[in-house]
Amino acid sequence: GENVEQHPSTLSVQEGDSAVIKCTYSDSASNYFPWYKQELGKRPQLIIDIRSNVGEKKDQRIAVTLNKTAKHFSLHITETQPEDSAVYFCAPFISNFGNEKLTFGTGTRLTIIP
Amino acid sequence: EADIYQTPRYLVIGTGKKITLECSQTMGHDKMYWYQQDPGMELHLIHYSYGVNSTEKGDLSSESTVSRIRTEHFPLTLESARPSHTSQYLCASSEGTNEKLFFGSGTQLSVL
Repeated sequence: GENVEQHPSTLSVQEGDSAVIKCTYSDSASNYFPWYKQELGKRPQLIIDIRSNVGEKKDQRIAVTLNKTAKHFSLHITETQPEDSAVYFCAPFISNFGNEKLTFGTGTRLTIIP
Repeated sequence: EADIYQTPRYLVIGTGKKITLECSQTMGHDKMYWYQQDPGMELHLIHYSYGVNSTEKGDLSSESTVSRIRTEHFPLTLESARPSHTSQYLCASSEGTNEKLFFGSGTQLSVL
């Protein structure tokens, strides 16, 4: 099965600074790479995703970069704000016909220090 | 409003009780999932369904069972609850050709 690791497991960042979370996966068949954000007491929600034919995607203050050769993708948050405090999960997905599998990473707890 | 709904939001029960956690979605999604999650920790897939009358066990062994008689409904049942079942249970759904998951608000289960 797919082995997914996230680093770091916890991250504290001064408000206004940038945060980067890295997700490493093992199965080269993975072809869809989403990031989910889960605020305290709330449901996980998709915040950004990227497909295997794209190297980088940006949406305002958040971006995702993909390195398929090295089998890792990263979440970048710039100009961090208190509302960015949450647990972030990567979830690389294999979407081959007849074989679909999504595996969540172990999560990264991001704390923004005011 | 199209969404995915879970009831109850919180449940405290005694050991040995039978319980059913409800999950319904109004988005017409084919695929539905149950995840177990301790607060702030990783999500473990315990059951999934690709459509009516389709159910499969997930990666994490679970004593629960599920059914999928209607597209919109995917209940999870524990025949005899134990303290080790204390956790948050999250239901999710996705469209057939779309990998994006939509989660419900979860049921926080406490077994005494």
